[in-house]
Amino acid sequence: ETGVTQTPRHLVMGMTNKKSLKCEQHLGHNAMYWYKQSAKKPLELMFVYNFKEQTENNSVPSRFSPECPNSSHLFLHLHTLQPEDSALYLCASSLQLLTSGSYEQYFGPGTRLTVT
Amino acid sequence: SQQGEEDPQALSIQEGENATMNCSYKTSINNLQWYRQNSGRGLVHLILIRSNEREKHSGRLRVTLDTSKKSSSLLITASRAADTASYFCATDAASGGSNYKLTFGKGTLLTVNP
Repeated sequence: ETGVTQTPRHLVMGMTNKKSLKCEQHLGHNAMYWYKQSAKKPLELMFVYNFKEQTENNSVPSRFSPECPNSSHLFLHLHTLQPEDSALYLCASSLQLLTSGSYEQYFGPGTRLTVT
Repeated sequence: SQQGEEDPQALSIQEGENATMNCSYKTSINNLQWYRQNSGRGLVHLILIRSNEREKHSGRLRVTLDTSKKSSSLLITASRAADTASYFCATDAASGGSNYKLTFGKGTLLTVNP
């Protein structure tokens, strides 16, 4: 148990569906992240929020829409996804980003997404 | 690319043996971190080593960093079957402006046979 929870743990959705992934951290961190993990590829950073402000969007398609209402919660809204978007989506949190570098990140268990 | 590359891609050893995994990267870093992932689960942070440090220990883990060679190694001593997992190095560097971000490698899959 890392103090970061994600729901749902598994999600199957059609290409025309709209769904949301939720992440919650109980660690008092101010930075939150979404990553995508596909088979045989490195972990890909998607979005970063620091004190609720988006500080990184790693050229992610607009069919992925993040939302960070406060420092403890992070959502990833999904719509009109493609089969190649099937992957493990991981949320992480850390102490706030600094101009001098990053702290260690704490990951949730992930949401296994399958797009049919 | 700043991405770290782990070597080997896969490693299979017997319980009790030591396991060594290496990570190489291309540009200057602020720190380097090692993570572990059990199959289909989230990553767990193991060790963070700063660019001005050469070696760190945590229990059965030993990490070295050679910034002149842009490489790091993770040594797990007296391995156990429960150490079976994928191990990732992540390099922390400025991504533009004042922001830093971690960039992960593809990982080393370690299998420890009982």
